[in-house]
Amino acid sequence: EADIYQTPRYLVIGTGKKITLECSQTMGHDKMYWYQQDPGMELHLIHYSYGVNSTEKGDLSSESTVSRIRTEHFPLTLESARPSHTSQYLCASSEPPAYEQYFGPGTRLTVT
Amino acid sequence: GENVEQHPSTLSVQEGDSAVIKCTYSDSASNYFPWYKQELGKRPQLIIDIRSNVGEKKDQRIAVTLNKTAKHFSLHITETQPEDSAVYFCALNSGGSNYKLTFGKGTLLTVNP
Repeated sequence: EADIYQTPRYLVIGTGKKITLECSQTMGHDKMYWYQQDPGMELHLIHYSYGVNSTEKGDLSSESTVSRIRTEHFPLTLESARPSHTSQYLCASSEPPAYEQYFGPGTRLTVT
Repeated sequence: GENVEQHPSTLSVQEGDSAVIKCTYSDSASNYFPWYKQELGKRPQLIIDIRSNVGEKKDQRIAVTLNKTAKHFSLHITETQPEDSAVYFCALNSGGSNYKLTFGKGTLLTVNP
């Protein structure tokens, strides 16, 4: 089934660890996005990609980095996790000419 | 990025009543206005959207209206049901071929049985 997947769904990790949050979509969408969201709060765009080898920073400054080597895969990496990174991270994708974005289930990250 | 203000931040209604959530924006080039529903612990899901060449769109109990002159758009839910309880987000793009969306801060809707 065409969908957008995120792993892990939940992650508890200690300060200073390097982590990678995975996002994959099977819809063939060119555009992909990462949002940061505290529970029930607004979504902040932290990274986006308009295609392979294209990545841009979003409106909210983030210490994370992303890569887009394959169309279907858009991982997010934190080199050194800190408690301030505790949040939910949502991945999304869209396909022009449509503007609709489809979201993954999210990764809830807790840094202790 | 584009600014969008969403009101109210919380809304409590009785089952069967109507609910209205409003968003205002400043960029006249915005041409796509979606609404997302996010239930507790779930992902945001698109429930309805409208483009700038249309003033109103309806889908069963949900409708969206757009006033481009005044730069605001609203979500209307009629005959509310407990399962409508969720956080609702408005969003918009920045116009032209920009596919990034800017989201409002969200409205927590509670429908009391």
